[in-house]
Amino acid sequence: QVTLKESGPVLVKPTETLTLTCTVSGFSLSNARMGVSWIRQPPGKALEWLAHIFSNDEKSYSTSLKSRLTISKDTSKSQVVLTMTNMDPVDTATYYCARIRSYYDSSGYYVRLFDYWGQGTLVTVSS
Amino acid sequence: SSELTQDPAVSVALGQTVRITCQGDSLRSYYASWYQQKPGQAPVLVIYGKNNRPSGIPDRFSGSSSGNTASLTITGAQAEDEADYYCNSRDSSGNLWVFGGGTKLTVL
Repeated sequence: QVTLKESGPVLVKPTETLTLTCTVSGFSLSNARMGVSWIRQPPGKALEWLAHIFSNDEKSYSTSLKSRLTISKDTSKSQVVLTMTNMDPVDTATYYCARIRSYYDSSGYYVRLFDYWGQGTLVTVSS
Repeated sequence: SSELTQDPAVSVALGQTVRITCQGDSLRSYYASWYQQKPGQAPVLVIYGKNNRPSGIPDRFSGSSSGNTASLTITGAQAEDEADYYCNSRDSSGNLWVFGGGTKLTVL
């Protein structure tokens, strides 16, 4: 059974650094066909992709937030950590981690998708 | 372009068929995935790849694609299908991801 669970502070002050941890089970972060992504959703708004990391340590970041984000993993602990610096009230959102699954379909296309999501954790930025 | 465009809201009569669309240049190169999100819950994958449903997703959900447009079709919409639906794909570079703005589906 695949599960992902986000943990971290519920409240951070403006200018502080947010550190979120995603603890996974049911799959290994060393699996070449799997990765983990962070995605956020401000209240009442759309989903926004933030970052991803794969078993080979391939990382990518949202262009608009790249300067503020760092993603890392500890395979032995089955954890993926996201840090976001210089938090602002506009960063108030529910933060989700999601598993990325990769495969080649019958037509030879390389498909990647978010197949399992954590429950999300609401982070409020306020002084 | 790295954007995916969805209609903000769509409605359908109970038992009828509804199509939710998603437009973007990246869809010419990459499949869209579709997620259902009910209030207070995490998104749930409903369609991925060419037209695949995860285990547990009813077969009234289907997906298709043509050019720069991906579509999610619900054939015989049920009351429990009322939710927000988001499309997602990799961006044109293939290295990043993008989500559509979401479509709020109302079942009348």
